[in-house]
Amino acid sequence: GENVEQHPSTLSVQEGDSAVIKCTYSDSASNYFPWYKQELGKRPQLIIDIRSNVGEKKDQRIAVTLNKTAKHFSLHITETQPEDSAVYFCAASEGSNYQLIWGAGTKLIIKP
Amino acid sequence: GAGVSQSPSNKVTEKGKDVELRCDPISGHTALYWYRQSLGQGLEFLIYFQGNSAPDKSGLPSDRFSAERTGGSVSTLTIQRTQQEDSAVYLCASSRTSGGINEQFFGPGTRLTVL
Repeated sequence: GENVEQHPSTLSVQEGDSAVIKCTYSDSASNYFPWYKQELGKRPQLIIDIRSNVGEKKDQRIAVTLNKTAKHFSLHITETQPEDSAVYFCAASEGSNYQLIWGAGTKLIIKP
Repeated sequence: GAGVSQSPSNKVTEKGKDVELRCDPISGHTALYWYRQSLGQGLEFLIYFQGNSAPDKSGLPSDRFSAERTGGSVSTLTIQRTQQEDSAVYLCASSRTSGGINEQFFGPGTRLTVL
């Protein structure tokens, strides 16, 4: 079955700098890769996702890149702000199975 | 429109008691998921319902845990003979299932404390 690994577990960056979180997956049949943000005490919410027929997707300060050959995908946050502080989860899904296999999460800390 | 709702928001119980947690998914969502999240930890998959298919129970940690989904809508997660290690936030999520896209919408969770 699918396995998703996420690194780093904690990431601390200076406000205004960029942050990159990386996930690897094992099942080459996976074709949907979402990223969720969970602020302290709140529920996870989708922030961006990518399908396997696309290599990169951007939405303002966040972007996701996908390398199908290497089976990894990354979340990029530019010009980080205090409100970006949260736990970020990656996930992978194979099209005919609507379950998501989740990474362990990355705690992003934005230093003022 | 209404999102996923869960009740109660908080539940404190004594060790050995049974508890029931409820999830109301978004109307029209055929898939429903239960997760457990211990403090500072990730999302631990418990069970998945998809339409009228048999649920995937592979994540349930012991036979003290069970769940049902009535009429393809509301779901109840039951924990029998609760133990202190059951203390966690229990999250429910629902999703459409079409086109290979699976955005899961989460409820606010039920915080369970077992004394």
